[in-house]
Amino acid sequence: AQRVTQPEKLLSVFKGAPVELKCNYSYSGSPELFWYVQYSRQRLQLLLRHISRESIKGFTADLNKGETSFHLKKPFAQEEDSAMYYCALKAAGNKLTFGGGTRVLVKP
Amino acid sequence: DAGVTQSPTHLIKTRGQQVTLRCSPKSGHDTVSWYQQALGQGPQFIFQYYEEEERQRGNFPDRFSGHQFPNYSSELNVNALLLGDSALYLCASSLVWGRTGELFFGEGSRLTVL
Repeated sequence: AQRVTQPEKLLSVFKGAPVELKCNYSYSGSPELFWYVQYSRQRLQLLLRHISRESIKGFTADLNKGETSFHLKKPFAQEEDSAMYYCALKAAGNKLTFGGGTRVLVKP
Repeated sequence: DAGVTQSPTHLIKTRGQQVTLRCSPKSGHDTVSWYQQALGQGPQFIFQYYEEEERQRGNFPDRFSGHQFPNYSSELNVNALLLGDSALYLCASSLVWGRTGELFFGEGSRLTVL
């Protein structure tokens, strides 16, 4: 069975500071990992996926199969990054297993 | 394109009652998945529908059932409601053969069971 763990419920950082959201997973197959984000009063939406190796809104995430991690990083946090972030693992058929989420608060 | 739409947005039921939630997928999408999100937790997969059949199911009891219609819209039914069924129910649509894994979510239906 697959499992996704986000150990931090809340991350509070100052604007301009680096931010890193931790995500660990367990899965017997070859993992596909994603980060979804939910801004205030908006619906849950895809932020980035590990396959595309892209940087979205300054965020990057590297899949580390040895450590079974997919941490999300941004070198300089902005106030508009304040949101709820969910790490997710894709199993067969587009079923996603989500972590419990991390709330990011960027203070001015 | 209005994206994924869900109805109703809020509803209150009492224990033992039955509820039906509705979802219209994003234009062009043929697959609908349902998730339950309890307060303070991440979404949990309930089931997925494609070609009017349930294709995958999460760890939810038979009280949870669904349906997909020929126009790809879907319903989630929950029978014999329990207090623990209180949650936000999210509908997400996708292309089943799309390998991106991207789901498009609705705003959810918030169910309160008293």
